[in-house]
Amino acid sequence: DVKVTQSSRYLVKRTGEKVFLECVQDMDHENMFWYRQDPGLGLRLIYFSYDVKMKEKGDIPEGYSVSREKKERFSLILESASTNQTSMYLCATETTSYGELFFGEGSRLTVL
Amino acid sequence: AQSVTQLGSHVSVSEGALVLLRCNYSSSVPPYLFWYVQYPNQGLQLLLKYTSAATLVKGINGFEAEFKKSETSFHLTKPSAHMSDAAEYFCAVSDRNGNKLVFGAGTILRVKS
Repeated sequence: DVKVTQSSRYLVKRTGEKVFLECVQDMDHENMFWYRQDPGLGLRLIYFSYDVKMKEKGDIPEGYSVSREKKERFSLILESASTNQTSMYLCATETTSYGELFFGEGSRLTVL
Repeated sequence: AQSVTQLGSHVSVSEGALVLLRCNYSSSVPPYLFWYVQYPNQGLQLLLKYTSAATLVKGINGFEAEFKKSETSFHLTKPSAHMSDAAEYFCAVSDRNGNKLVFGAGTILRVKS
């Protein structure tokens, strides 16, 4: 079974802090994604990566950056957290079948 | 551009009743269509997918969905709801060129005993 592990399930941070959310997968998938989930808005794509060192902006990249130094690890970075970034963050990987994503359990971030 | 509309942010059914969750999509090319389910405090998992084979797709846990091109719909059904079906369900669409998945806003299913 594919396993996608997100390092933190729950985080509480202060406004202005730098936040790292890490995601590790164990199935050698090329494609990795970071989504943000908010009630009534579904999932919105922040960034994605199709290869090591490669990154592409999704639909809502403002205020976020990413890092992919190794194939299995994809990190989401909030350079200066703000209260409107309070949300559930989901990491996913993709097989070669378009759209078949495997998700981590999510990281719920609260910014005070 | 692709888009997905899920009708009804909340659906409530009695245990044993029919489950019907509605999804309409917009796509300029033949789509791939998906239903994902999210149980409380978990990530999403794939329920079923349509990729141009049979229009009636069967998934896990007794769910199925039918692709209707003329109606641009991909509604999710289950004949008899179980308490364990209580979750949030997301419809999603992608094109056949490898472009990223677009999700609907989600429908929360409540099952009453």
